[in-house]
Parts: sequence; structure tokens; C-alpha cells
Amino acid sequence: AQSVSQHNHHVILSEAASLELGCNYSYGGTVNLFWYVQYPGQHLQLLLKYFSGDPLVKGIKGFEAEFIKSKFSFNLRKPSVQWSDTAEYFCAVSPYSSASKIIFGSGTRLSIRP
Amino acid sequence: EAQVTQNPRYLITVTGKKLTVTCSQNMNHEYMSWYRQDPGLGLRQIYYSMNVEVTDKGDVPEGYKVSRKEKRNFPLILESPSPNQTSLYFCASSRDREETQYFGPGTRLLVL
Repeated sequence: AQSVSQHNHHVILSEAASLELGCNYSYGGTVNLFWYVQYPGQHLQLLLKYFSGDPLVKGIKGFEAEFIKSKFSFNLRKPSVQWSDTAEYFCAVSPYSSASKIIFGSGTRLSIRP
Repeated sequence: EAQVTQNPRYLITVTGKKLTVTCSQNMNHEYMSWYRQDPGLGLRQIYYSMNVEVTDKGDVPEGYKVSRKEKRNFPLILESPSPNQTSLYFCASSRDREETQYFGPGTRLLVL
């Protein structure tokens, strides 16, 4: 079955630390990939997405993600986090073969110490 | 302003009492979807709709119904709610399946 794994359930960092959140998916075909963010008390917003082309994707607020097809990964990175990055982050995959399934990971909660 | 709205935002009900959560979008999107969010499980897709009168099951459809009579509306119906349907529900829409989804503000449901 298709699935998305986010191995880090809760990450705690200090301000200015570098961030990398892992995302792996299990599907051998073509996919669209997304990272969404949910700030406390708010709804999900798109951070960035990958459909095709350059596998290094830049999103809002200084986030970027790299699609590594051979590793089935789409890790999210930010060189220097801020307290305002405290949120829950969701990776999502949309396989081309599936009519309309969009599969989300279980989420990673990021806590930033001021 | 482009948005997805959900009503109600908070709901407490009792087992077996039918309820409907409405979802409406003003972006003329064809694709709409319902998710539930539970701690440690992320978002799981309940139902989705590719267009008017076209709906299909997601990963966790049991206990839910949907309808898509108009493009802008996609209500979620719980015919006989049970406590295991206590959750945070999100509606989302996009131009099509492959595009960015816009999420509603969420509906927090408690079934006693």
C-alpha cells in the first residue's frame, strides 16, 4: 500500500539551528510532492511543492526541499530556524496512478526554543 | 477573498444523532476533499470529489457520507456518529488533484 513516513514525530531546536525533517514515500511511479505547515490553532498552508524539473524546490519563509527519486525522499530543510517556525509539518504525496488519492504523513511537530 | 469555509467550527453531539458539516469554496475548484486529523496519525482522507456528482472513498470512509450537488459545496454527513469519530475535520479544495490544496479552518467534533 502507498504510504508516507515522517520519522521524526517531535523535533526540538534552538533558534538559529538548522532544520531537516525527513519524508519518505512508498510508491514506484511518478508523484507530486508537498509540504504543508500547520501553525498552532490554524489550518494547513502550503509550504512548497514539487511536480517536475529541478529537484531542489524553494518555498515560502526560507524553506526548501530536495526530491531524491532514488531514495523516495522529499526532506524539508531550513538553514536557520526562528521561534515563529514552531508548528506541525506534514509531507504529502499524490501518486499519478491513483485517481485522486492524496496521502499525508503523520506529521512532525517542531518546537523552537527562543 | 479566496477561501474555504466550514461550519460549524466546533460541535459537541451525542452518539447516533445525525449531523452535517458544511464546506464551501469560492474558487470554482473542481476537486474537493475531506480529511480527519488525529494525533499521531496525521491527516487521513475520508472522501473526495473530482467534480459535481463525482465522489469516491478515501482511506477512512466508514461512517461518513458526502454529496456534491453543486461545485462550491461538499458537505460531510455523519448519519449515526460514534465516539471514535471525535476528531478535527478539514475540508480542502484545489483546481484539480495535482494542484495545491486550500484548506478550511477545521471543525472540531466531539461525540459523546
